Amino acid sequence: SQQGEEDPQALSIQEGENATMNCSYKTSINNLQWYRQNSGRGLVHLILIRSNEREKHSGRLRVTLDTSKKSSSLLITASRAADTASYFCATGPIQGAQKLVFGQGTRLTINP
Amino acid sequence: EAEVAQSPRYKITEKSQAVAFWCDPISGHATLYWYRQILGQGPELLVQFQDESVVDDSQLPKDRFSAERLKGVDSTLKIQPAELGDSAMYLCASSYAGGSYGYTFGSGTRLTVV
Repeated sequence: SQQGEEDPQALSIQEGENATMNCSYKTSINNLQWYRQNSGRGLVHLILIRSNEREKHSGRLRVTLDTSKKSSSLLITASRAADTASYFCATGPIQGAQKLVFGQGTRLTINP
Repeated sequence: EAEVAQSPRYKITEKSQAVAFWCDPISGHATLYWYRQILGQGPELLVQFQDESVVDDSQLPKDRFSAERLKGVDSTLKIQPAELGDSAMYLCASSYAGGSYGYTFGSGTRLTVV
């Protein structure tokens, strides 16, 4: 079963613009992670934010977490053609086996 | 950089045949996961191992799927018999410390059942 829901499902922007993707989830979490998947490939871990953190940066990536609204956002600044991929949020639950539950993903296309 | 190895990369099999996938996690990663990803959707967990023990296989269709990690290192996922609906990407991932620092995924096996 899917826990997270990404919004939008698809996003197309011009190179150099910023891209923002949102993720909403249903249950309390230990952490939230973002992954990138190029077409036909495995997922690559981008960034992890813990439930007691509100914002985190990594290079051109900025992630926010609002546990009161059960939502997170991923901002990619100064987008490049190589950023074209699907982006997934995944939540790590507080209780039970530490398995990640993935959302459906946002398909990001960067137009040159 | 250490990688999770998966083979084969692609597999085409006929309905009702048996098929097997192999995964070799990053050395030292005690936790291993098998996910299934249908085209256009997010990955869904099939089975999770901690060392050689199954921690979670609640979403594994046990009538046809089996998974093992005999020595707590590499793992095999088997489907017998394969059905048309099993066509998907099968992803293996491993993690250190139960995933508190993220997962490392392999490149996956793309299965097509005809």
